[in-house]
Amino acid sequence: KAGVTQTPRYLIKTRGQQVTLSCSPISGHRSVSWYQQTPGQGLQFLFEYFSETQRNKGNFPGRFSGRQFSNSRSEMNVSTLELGDSALYLCASSLGLAESTDTQYFGPGTRLTVL
Amino acid sequence: AQSVSQHNHHVILSEAASLELGCNYSYGGTVNLFWYVQYPGQHLQLLLKYFSGDPLVKGIKGFEAEFIKSKFSFNLRKPSVQWSDTAEYFCAVNARGGGFKTIFGAGTRLFVKA
Repeated sequence: KAGVTQTPRYLIKTRGQQVTLSCSPISGHRSVSWYQQTPGQGLQFLFEYFSETQRNKGNFPGRFSGRQFSNSRSEMNVSTLELGDSALYLCASSLGLAESTDTQYFGPGTRLTVL
Repeated sequence: AQSVSQHNHHVILSEAASLELGCNYSYGGTVNLFWYVQYPGQHLQLLLKYFSGDPLVKGIKGFEAEFIKSKFSFNLRKPSVQWSDTAEYFCAVNARGGGFKTIFGAGTRLFVKA
């Protein structure tokens, strides 16, 4: 069974630009969550999509947005990039059980550097 | 608001030493608890999880964790560490039935000396 894949793996952008990151979940998984990982803040929850609907949202500004397609693939977009957006962006997929007890499987991440 | 606190940011042990990593969480409702591990150069992966039943849960690679509800704690233990356990360990929590709004602790970097 293929794991969670994220593209691209590395990205360099400049301030003010926008970026789109992609995540393909494990086949059959309907929940996709996004996290930002930085040395200073650790892993912070961005949002979760389930069946094409945003089910949960973290405390990030509106510049961070996402969507999920009918095949469960998800994209996240960051507009008007700031230096502080430099981070490893992780995607995780799961079946999306109602009790939230199922296992999340993480992808390798996309390393975003903002210059 | 939910929060997770991990007591140690860095731990250095010799092989065969026992390990205990502390984790406390803050949340008023029913929670699911997790420990994840990130080995150097690898993806974050689940070590173990607790959502109900026996508060002592066993995970992969000889790890176990004990849920103590009265202390809001979920400490990770391993009786005898190996060099291959060198990694970063994260405690995490989400609300039961709340989807995957998972809150992670800051992580503990474990280095095991051979």
